[in-house]
Amino acid sequence: DTAVSQTPKYLVTQMGNDKSIKCEQNLGHDTMYWYKQDSKKFLKIMFSYNNKELIINETVPNRFSPKSPDKAHLNLHINSLELGDSAVYFCASSQRSLGTGELFFGEGSRLTVL
Amino acid sequence: DAKTTQPNSMESNEEEPVHLPCNHSTISGTDYIHWYRQLPSQGPEYVIHGLTSNVNNRMASLAIAEDRKSSTLILHRATLRDAAVYYCILRPNFGNEKLTFGTGTRLTIIP
Repeated sequence: DTAVSQTPKYLVTQMGNDKSIKCEQNLGHDTMYWYKQDSKKFLKIMFSYNNKELIINETVPNRFSPKSPDKAHLNLHINSLELGDSAVYFCASSQRSLGTGELFFGEGSRLTVL
Repeated sequence: DAKTTQPNSMESNEEEPVHLPCNHSTISGTDYIHWYRQLPSQGPEYVIHGLTSNVNNRMASLAIAEDRKSSTLILHRATLRDAAVYYCILRPNFGNEKLTFGTGTRLTIIP
C-alpha cells in the first residue's frame, strides 16, 4: 500500500480552467501538507493542515484552496489556472505530536497549464 | 527560518563513501538538523536527523560539529541508487512543522 498517494499523477489543462488534486495518506498521521516544486526545482510549502485545521498558509494566491475533509485527506483546488501554476505539487504527511517527526511525501502531481 | 548552505553538486565513485557538507551558522539551540533526498521524478524522502550528537541509521550517518554550525551527511558506500538531490534543512523543535527546502546538493554517482 502506498503511504501517501496523489491523484492524478499528470494533469494537462488550459489557462482559466479549474482543477483539483487529491491526496490521501494511510499512515494515521494528523498533519498534511502541500508543497510546490517549480521548474527551477525549488520546493516551497503552500499549506499545512493539522486535524483538519489550517495551520500554515504561505501567502498563496486565493485561487488555491485546500480542503481537508478528514485527517487522512487533503485536496488542493485551483481556480482560474495560470501559466505560472505549472509545477509539480507534492503532498506530504507527518505526525505532529512527534515534534521532529519525518515527513512522508507522495510521488507528486505534475500540472501543465497551456 | 535559519538558512543552510550546501554545495550545488558533488560527484562520487560507486561503492565509495560520500561526505555531503552543510553549513548552518545561524542555527538556534532548538533547531534540529534534517536531511532529505529527492531521487529523479520522485517526492523527497527522509534520510536522517539529529540535534547535537552524531546519528546513524540504515541509510546514512550524520556527523554534527561541536558548535552545531555545520554538519555532514555520510553515505558509507554509495550506489547508483543514491544519485539524488540532498537537502539539509533546519527544523525548529515543536510547534512548527514547516520544512524549508534550500537548493540542495545534486549528487552524481560514477559507475
